[in-house]
Amino acid sequence: ELKVEQNPLFLSMQEGKNYTIYCNYSTTSDRLYWYRQDPGKSLESLFVLLSNGAVKQEGRLMASLDTKARLSTLHITAAVHDLSATYFCAVDPIFATGANNLFFGTGTRLTVIP
Amino acid sequence: GAVVSQHPSWVICKSGTSVKIECRSLDFQATTMFWYRQFPKQSLMLMATSNEGSKATYEQGVEKDKFLINHASLTLSTLTVTSAHPEDSSFYICSARRAGGFYNEQFFGPGTRLTVL
Repeated sequence: ELKVEQNPLFLSMQEGKNYTIYCNYSTTSDRLYWYRQDPGKSLESLFVLLSNGAVKQEGRLMASLDTKARLSTLHITAAVHDLSATYFCAVDPIFATGANNLFFGTGTRLTVIP
Repeated sequence: GAVVSQHPSWVICKSGTSVKIECRSLDFQATTMFWYRQFPKQSLMLMATSNEGSKATYEQGVEKDKFLINHASLTLSTLTVTSAHPEDSSFYICSARRAGGFYNEQFFGPGTRLTVL
């Protein structure tokens, strides 16, 4: 079964600092999604990465995908308190395995402190 | 575009009763809908995949008779938790995949928090 691991699981960082969240997965896939979840809420789509080398940026967040390394990163630049949330990556293995569904990572709970 | 709604947002029920949760795609047709449950501080766990007009496909360990899924139209799927017990208390999230979409992007509903007393 496809495994998706995120690192770290918990992250506390000061405002203004930079950090990277890693998402490793165990099977071939060239499609990966990043989501944000606030407490008590559902998932909000952040990025859709559809090919090797894809890089997308929105505000202080930048996501990239390296399908050869089976790795995606979510980089946070100059963190602000509003970014505090849980971030999930999800792998779409449809072309590798034919699976219809997404496989979610464990989540990274980010807390940005003043 | 690509809005998914769920109803109700939260529900509290007594043990032994059944609860129905609706998932609707409001502005697109969804050939496939997915049902997830999420326990506190954990990731999403896929329960079942629902295709319009056919039986749902359940993940291993999910009881079909307890979690009844109906996908009657291209915009509506329902999850009925039958004879609910306190251990069924969870956050249930549905998602929908757009018909004709060329990749598997799913659009998520706002979730339903179920508490069984």
